[in-house]
Amino acid sequence: AQRVTQPEKLLSVFKGAPVELKCNYSYSGSPELFWYVQYSRQRLQLLLRHISRESIKGFTADLNKGETSFHLKKPFAQEEDSAMYYCALSGTYTAGNMLTFGGGTRLMVKP
Amino acid sequence: DAGVTQSPTHLIKTRGQQVTLRCSPKSGHDTVSWYQQALGQGPQFIFQYYEEEERQRGNFPDRFSGHQFPNYSSELNVNALLLGDSALYLCASSLGGLSGNTIYFGEGSWLTVV
Repeated sequence: AQRVTQPEKLLSVFKGAPVELKCNYSYSGSPELFWYVQYSRQRLQLLLRHISRESIKGFTADLNKGETSFHLKKPFAQEEDSAMYYCALSGTYTAGNMLTFGGGTRLMVKP
Repeated sequence: DAGVTQSPTHLIKTRGQQVTLRCSPKSGHDTVSWYQQALGQGPQFIFQYYEEEERQRGNFPDRFSGHQFPNYSSELNVNALLLGDSALYLCASSLGGLSGNTIYFGEGSWLTVV
């Protein structure tokens, strides 16, 4: 079975502070990990995926297979980063690309 | 390109009734997945359709069924509605349903069961 855990429901930081949104996963094979973001009144959209190893809007995430984690980080938070963030996993051994999501973390960046 | 479009955006149903939700995938996409997102939770996978067949299914009862049409649009049907079916239903589309292809989500259909 595959599972994604986001231990924090809410993370509140001040503008300019570093941000780390935690994500831990459980999967027996080689997973593909994603971060999705949902801004207020907008649809869920892909923020980044581990295989592309890119930085989007200043966010990065490194897959740590030893700790089964895929934490999302940003060195200096901006007010426009306030949103719901979901970590998701896709198993490479399953047909199709079914996503298993974590419960989400609401990031609030205070001025 | 309007992206993934869903209808209706909001609806209210009574326990025991049946509901049909509709989804048009992003242009060029042939795979449609449906997710249920209860309040305060992450989306949960219901099932995926590819080439008009259900290819993969999550842990949902048979009351949840679907269909994909030749133009790749899809419907989600829920029978014998329960209060616990109240949620945001998300449609997502991709190309080929292969791991590695980006999945795009619609804005969802809010279902309230009273």
